[in-house]
Amino acid sequence: DVKVTQSSRYLVKRTGEKVFLECVQDMDHENMFWYRQDPGLGLRLIYFSYDVKMKEKGDIPEGYSVSREKKERFSLILESASTNQTSMYLCASSWADTDTQYFGPGTRLTVL
Amino acid sequence: KQEVTQIPAALSVPEGENLVLNCSFTDSAIYNLQWFRQDPGKGLTSLLLIQSSQREQTSGRLNASLDKSSGRSTLYIAASQPGDSATYLCAVYRNKLVFGAGTILRVKS
Repeated sequence: DVKVTQSSRYLVKRTGEKVFLECVQDMDHENMFWYRQDPGLGLRLIYFSYDVKMKEKGDIPEGYSVSREKKERFSLILESASTNQTSMYLCASSWADTDTQYFGPGTRLTVL
Repeated sequence: KQEVTQIPAALSVPEGENLVLNCSFTDSAIYNLQWFRQDPGKGLTSLLLIQSSQREQTSGRLNASLDKSSGRSTLYIAASQPGDSATYLCAVYRNKLVFGAGTILRVKS
């Protein structure tokens, strides 16, 4: 079974803090994705990566950056957390562009 | 810009009923369509993936259909059970996944 794990289920941070969310997949998938999910807005793509050290902006990249130094690991970084970044963050991975995306359990981030 | 709409937003049915969830999308130039399930506070679980050349996919009590030309998909759940209670999300893929807002399903025992 494909397993996508995220470093924390719940996280509480203060405004201005630097926040790291980590995602690890164990299936040697090429593609990895970060989404955020908000009530009424659904899932929105923040960043994705097709290969190690490659990254592409999604629909809402402002305020975020990413890092993919190893194939299995994709990190989302909030350089200076703000209250409007309070959300559920979901990581996903897939073999190829058109394949099923496998999702992690999510990290619920609260920024105070 | 691709938009995905799911109707109804919420549905409550008694156990054992057959039900249909609807998904529509504005741009028919898609590679595939996927249905996901999400339990409260959890991640998404892929249920079915239909390639653009396919008309339907089945998995157990679930059947998903795709009519690309009309921009519609349906997810049919047979003999619903309380364990089917969850949010069901439809997503279409071209160069990225675009999600609908979901249908919240409650199956009452």
